[in-house]
Amino acid sequence: AQSVTQLGSHVSVSEGALVLLRCNYSSSVPPYLFWYVQYPNQGLQLLLKYTSAATLVKGINGFEAEFKKSETSFHLTKPSAHMSDAAEYFCAVSPTGRRALTFGSGTRLQVQP
Amino acid sequence: KAGVTQTPRYLIKTRGQQVTLSCSPISGHRSVSWYQQTPGQGLQFLFEYFSETQRNKGNFPGRFSGRQFSNSRSEMNVSTLELGDSALYLCASSPDSGMGDTQYFGPGTRLTVL
Repeated sequence: AQSVTQLGSHVSVSEGALVLLRCNYSSSVPPYLFWYVQYPNQGLQLLLKYTSAATLVKGINGFEAEFKKSETSFHLTKPSAHMSDAAEYFCAVSPTGRRALTFGSGTRLQVQP
Repeated sequence: KAGVTQTPRYLIKTRGQQVTLSCSPISGHRSVSWYQQTPGQGLQFLFEYFSETQRNKGNFPGRFSGRQFSNSRSEMNVSTLELGDSALYLCASSPDSGMGDTQYFGPGTRLTVL
């Protein structure tokens, strides 16, 4: 079964610093990969998704992620953190042909002033 | 377009009761999926409905069931509630346009079982 692993349940950065949230997937075939963000007491909002069209994927709010097949990774980055980026971030994989997303355990991002 | 709506937003029930949650997808979306979110187990897929038929199912007991209506609205039902069913239940809709469909999530229904 396909799965994703998010390294680091909590990440703290200073405002203006680089954000790097790690996600590794396990899949025998190229999967569909997603990054979602969840703000307190809200549902999930899609940041970006990889569907094999391009390895560098740009998303909303200045986030981007790079698909690296050799490393089975899909890390999320943002050059400069903003206070409003504080939230929980989830990496997810979609098994080919199914719409059942398998989520990682999440990374809570804290942004210090 | 209006987003995915879920009702009610909050619910308190007692053990042994049953509960029904409702989800209205984005207009034009035909696929509706349900997820359970708990601090211990994280986000887990419950089931997906398309054209009134359950198309995919997660690893949950039979107490968890769902259905979809002809207008794509969906309900999920949990019978004989247990304390461990306390969770945020999220509904997501997608246009079913092909592989790698984006799922758009609603705000969730927070269920507390006492």
